[in-house]
Amino acid sequence: EAGVVQSPRYKIIEKKQPVAFWCNPISGHNTLYWYRQNLGQGPELLIRYENEEAVDDSQLPKDRFSAERLKGVDSTLKIQPAELGDSAVYLCASSSISGGSTQKDTQYFGPGTRLTVL
Amino acid sequence: RKEVEQDPGPFNVPEGATVAFNCTYSNSASQSFFWYRQDCRKEPKLLMSVYSSGNEDGRFTAQLNRASQYISLLIRDSKLSDSATYLCVVRPFSGGYNKLIFGAGTRLAVHP
Repeated sequence: EAGVVQSPRYKIIEKKQPVAFWCNPISGHNTLYWYRQNLGQGPELLIRYENEEAVDDSQLPKDRFSAERLKGVDSTLKIQPAELGDSAVYLCASSSISGGSTQKDTQYFGPGTRLTVL
Repeated sequence: RKEVEQDPGPFNVPEGATVAFNCTYSNSASQSFFWYRQDCRKEPKLLMSVYSSGNEDGRFTAQLNRASQYISLLIRDSKLSDSATYLCVVRPFSGGYNKLIFGAGTRLAVHP
């Protein structure tokens, strides 16, 4: 079974430029997450989708970050304009359980996009 | 105070050693607990869940102390391939909200 796919794997841009990251979750997973991982830190959730609905975007810096998951499958995260402090690894994850009583669903992560802003 | 705190390490141990990592969490109502492993420049992967009664998976043993809000991971007979960063992870909510809070990770280096 294919895992979570992300592209590009690496991106170097100058500050104030826009950048976009793409994620394709595991087939059948209706919950999708975007995380940011700064150097030496654990991943921090930016936004969570259940199907095409963003159900938690409280940690997304909305002045410059946006995300979409139009058909409830793949997703795009955009930064415009990028700042030096946005340099990080952007991880996408997916899970099969979107709600209900179970807590046993596992989040599977993609390889991430390593962003460097110069 | 961070929601999940870990000793960053690094822990440098010889092959065959036993090593233990600790983690504390601030939300006493947290529901579920996990250890994830992250290799250098790779994505995090679930290592094991942590249950109240403690649980073991081969050379790995996880313990939870809800009263002290403390989680541990013990690795016995360390292998070179165990070298990685170990992330302590807490799910603070019950029900359907699958939000994970990650610690900063503890780095382990196993040497020959």
